[in-house]
Amino acid sequence: NAGVTQTPKFRILKIGQSMTLQCTQDMNHNYMYWYRQDPGMGLKLIYYSVGAGITDKGEVPNGYNVSRSTTEDFPLRLELAAPSQTSVYFCASSYPATGPDTQYFGPGTRLTVL
Amino acid sequence: QQQVKQSPQSLIVQKGGISIINCAYENTAFDYFPWYQQFPGKGPALLIAIRPDVSEKKEGRFTISFNKSAKQFSLHIMDSQPGDSATYFCAALASGNTPLVFGKGTRLSVIA
Repeated sequence: NAGVTQTPKFRILKIGQSMTLQCTQDMNHNYMYWYRQDPGMGLKLIYYSVGAGITDKGEVPNGYNVSRSTTEDFPLRLELAAPSQTSVYFCASSYPATGPDTQYFGPGTRLTVL
Repeated sequence: QQQVKQSPQSLIVQKGGISIINCAYENTAFDYFPWYQQFPGKGPALLIAIRPDVSEKKEGRFTISFNKSAKQFSLHIMDSQPGDSATYFCAALASGNTPLVFGKGTRLSVIA
């Protein structure tokens, strides 16, 4: 299993541009999450999904959108990028039905907005 | 409102020493308390976890101590090694579909 994969690894955007961060997991996990981690800071939950077709806002959803059309994929869309969205973005997945909610994280996407 | 408070923000420990990171929570509905370890440039990964029905859990050099009445739990790293240098996050989870709540993290540096 590849686990949780994220693309791209790095990206530089200009203010006002849009992009989609891709996240795919091959563990058949029903829960998926998007976090952002600012330098030297903790993890902030942006959006999460408990299954295909279901999404919910986390702590910092403004400026982002998500969709969950399949179990495997959970893309994060940035519309009208702003410097405040410069961060490292982590996708994670879990399968709480089998026991405690262990989240498996991807390697992250480092995004810079200039 | 920060639901899980973690301290210290950073910690420097001599090689062979004991590293201690503390977390406190308010929500009595939390019933699962994991710790995640994050190395630079990597995503966090589960290190060790505990449920409130036990007061301590040990895995190798890593121990979680849990005090239900005080609503506090801590991570102890015995015989700390330079390879343990990482950021550590405590977290808490309540039953149901609510997501994991993370502390703000502790950056641990183990120096020789």
